[in-house]
Formats: sequence, C-alpha cells, structure tokens
Amino acid sequence: GAGVSQSPSNKVTEKGKDVELRCDPISGHTALYWYRQSLGQGLEFLIYFQGNSAPDKSGLPSDRFSAERTGGSVSTLTIQRTQQEDSAVYLCASSLSSSGHGQETQYFGPGTRLLVL
Amino acid sequence: RKEVEQDPGPFNVPEGATVAFNCTYSNSASQSFFWYRQDCRKEPKLLMSVYSSGNEDGRFTAQLNRASQYISLLIRDSKLSDSATYLCAVKGGADGLTFGKGTHLIIQP
Repeated sequence: GAGVSQSPSNKVTEKGKDVELRCDPISGHTALYWYRQSLGQGLEFLIYFQGNSAPDKSGLPSDRFSAERTGGSVSTLTIQRTQQEDSAVYLCASSLSSSGHGQETQYFGPGTRLLVL
Repeated sequence: RKEVEQDPGPFNVPEGATVAFNCTYSNSASQSFFWYRQDCRKEPKLLMSVYSSGNEDGRFTAQLNRASQYISLLIRDSKLSDSATYLCAVKGGADGLTFGKGTHLIIQP
C-alpha cells in the first residue's frame, strides 16, 4: 500500500525566503509527526498532530516555524524567513494513533532535503 | 545528560558474525521502544518494536531492560546488506520519538 509521501523531495531556497513542505500520511493514520535531521546529527522531533490538533508546539526551533494539518490528512510545515541553519532533511512520519500498544509505531516518509543558500 | 545514547561506532564486523548494540535512555517514564534502520540518504525504516519480554524476528533479537534503562539489538549471521546506521528510539507518551544519534555498522566480506 501507499506509504507516507512528502513533497518536494528537494528544495533550494535563498536566505530570507519562505518555504512550505508537505506531508501526506498513510491513509487512516490519525497521528502525524515532523522531524528534522541535520548533517551528522540525530533526528530532532519538531511537532505532532493527533487529528488536526497539535497539543505541544514547544519542539519547533523558533517562531519562524509553523505547522498545520487540515482534514485529518495532509500537513504542511512552513518556515518563514529561512536561515542557513535551517538546512536539513525534514522528515514526516505517521502512525495509527499517537498512543496505544501497537498503534503508535511510526512510519517515515522519504523526507524533503532543504538547502538554504 | 543526553536522553538517548548510542555508541556511534563504526562497528566493523566480518560477514557471518554476530553483533550487538546497546542503547541507554534517561527518561524512566518511557513507554515504547523501537529500533530503526537508516541507509545513507534514506529515511529511517522500522526494524523492530521492543517489548518487555524481548522479541525476535529472524536474525534480529531485541531486548528491553527497564531496571537499567537500556535496550539492545542482536544481529546474528550478519549479511553485507545489514550495513547501515541503526537508530534507537524511545517514546514517553502521546508525542514524538526521541532518537539516539545511531550506531554505524559496516559488514565486511
């Protein structure tokens, strides 16, 4: 079946521009997660949605980052006024639910490689 | 103290050997534990969930030790295709995973 999809796969932008990254979760998965992986670094959790609600936004690196999810499906992560330190791979994952034995297993999309020049 | 720690390696192991990794976590309230595999420039792929009783999937065995707060992964009869970075991940509740930085494994012919 179809897995998590993300677009674009690669994005090169100039410092100061806004970018929007998209994630389409596995059909039927109510929980959706955004992570960031910088070169040589581990995966950093950013934000999650249960349905359309994001209970905790404290993992977002700065107020330039925002995320939304509508219709319980597609999510977008927006970075305003991009900086060079925003360059990373942005990964999205989804799970059946955000908690519950066997339901919280997360499956990752291929990621969006963002390069800020 | 880092929340999830792994030996970064690299582990250089001959084909056919058995290799084991450990991962320690600091949050005693952690509830769910996973091993992911990540190939170069690819997304993490779930290898195994880790249960209190331990679990086995073919050549792979995962164990959880709650008292000492570590999880382990054992790979038997290693194959060249096992070469990858192995990520330990821990979940405390209804939020995201906390990952270790990964252990790099190289299987040599």
